[in-house]
Amino acid sequence: QVQLVESGGGLVKPGGSLRLSCAASGFSFSDYYMTWVRQAPGKGLEWVSHISSRSSFTNYTDSVKGRFTVSRDNAKNSLYLQMNNLTPEDTAVYYCARPLAAYSNNWPLDFWGQGTLVTVSS
Amino acid sequence: EIVLTQSPGTLSLSPGERATLSCRASQSVSGRYLAWYQQKPGQAPRLLMYAVSIRATGIPERFSGSGSGTDFTLTISRLEPEDFAVYYCQHYGSSWTFGQGTKVEIK
Repeated sequence: QVQLVESGGGLVKPGGSLRLSCAASGFSFSDYYMTWVRQAPGKGLEWVSHISSRSSFTNYTDSVKGRFTVSRDNAKNSLYLQMNNLTPEDTAVYYCARPLAAYSNNWPLDFWGQGTLVTVSS
Repeated sequence: EIVLTQSPGTLSLSPGERATLSCRASQSVSGRYLAWYQQKPGQAPRLLMYAVSIRATGIPERFSGSGSGTDFTLTISRLEPEDFAVYYCQHYGSSWTFGQGTKVEIK
């Protein structure tokens, strides 16, 4: 069955960096766009970034552009989010998620990981 | 960027009642790229509906979606105890945004 397992979250000081990972299994990872979504404590969902199946296309929400970098290693069935120059506003649970169908970003997210908590605080 | 506004913020209802949740877009949603998710405390979101009115796999028939253009609705015909949760609408495709959520709570 499809599984997405995030890791790499933790406590980091403002201005610091963190790299999140998402290990995928149970499906043909290299065929799917992948997405990061975050949720600040007690708040709603916010789309962060996505990356195409072969890494040729990436996109970011405005608030993280220039600070976050999404990448993937299809040989390792893994998705990453490198987060630099973190601020307290980046504190959230970060989810990786897979769209309903392969090869396109024009689908909603039907499989989600359990999330990893990033806390930015001094 | 499309902004999605959900209303009401909180809906207080009893089991067995009908729930009607609204999602309004700041501009017309092309391609019917509108989805709904359910989220319970401590859990990841769960896809309920996509393409406005298509139920995702395993979603009960009491959930239905409708709308077009800028106005969309998620209806739960008769609330079951497990339906009390937060619901988010989402635009996907050319741009990706979520609404701020509607909490359906037990009255």
